Amino acid sequence: EPEVTQTPSHQVTQMGQEVILRCVPISNHLYFYWYRQILGQKVEFLVSFYNNEISEKSEIFDDQFSVERPDGSNFTLKIRSTKLEDSAMYFCASLPGLAGGNEQFFGPGTRLTVL
Amino acid sequence: LAKTTQPISMDSYEGQEVNITCSHNNIATNDYITWYQQFPSQGPRFIIQGYKTKVTNEVASLFIPADRKSSTLSLPRVSLSDTAVYYCLVGDLDSGSARQLTFGSGTQLTVLP
Repeated sequence: EPEVTQTPSHQVTQMGQEVILRCVPISNHLYFYWYRQILGQKVEFLVSFYNNEISEKSEIFDDQFSVERPDGSNFTLKIRSTKLEDSAMYFCASLPGLAGGNEQFFGPGTRLTVL
Repeated sequence: LAKTTQPISMDSYEGQEVNITCSHNNIATNDYITWYQQFPSQGPRFIIQGYKTKVTNEVASLFIPADRKSSTLSLPRVSLSDTAVYYCLVGDLDSGSARQLTFGSGTQLTVLP
């Protein structure tokens, strides 16, 4: 069964450093998402991406964040100048398309720890 | 987006049927009701979705009354592995937007032996 994959599973970084979280969505999906979940808190929407551009973004997704689909398979989230409060699980998700079903498929997540 | 209200936690025993009710008084005409499951340190997983009446799949059933102001997720004969957080989400799937999901706090279901 196709699945969303994410790397690395755990990323430890020093405050102020840049990190890139990687995701490989399901191959024929058209919509891509990043969510984050701070330990013990809700899953929060960050950004959606379609047709090589951002569709929607939340208030959390400020200039510190950026997304990119550098090739036909990868979908990345870059976090610049990381802060302690960026420590969280980051989930990538993909959706077949507006006519292809309503189920978002989530990856296993990357645990980001900022020291 | 309609706000949802769910119990914070529920306990059950193996083999029992579990019903988790979600309140969404401000649901809009075009809104669908979707339930996701999340195990610790894993991404959410789609369980079931419906608009009205009853929907059933191999995992669960979803009951939606005529006024659609609430919904009930029914898990038949739960096992220990059903211990997870269950989220009720309400949103318009035909808005033309990219269908971002808005998660609430969810219901922590604990299945006891």
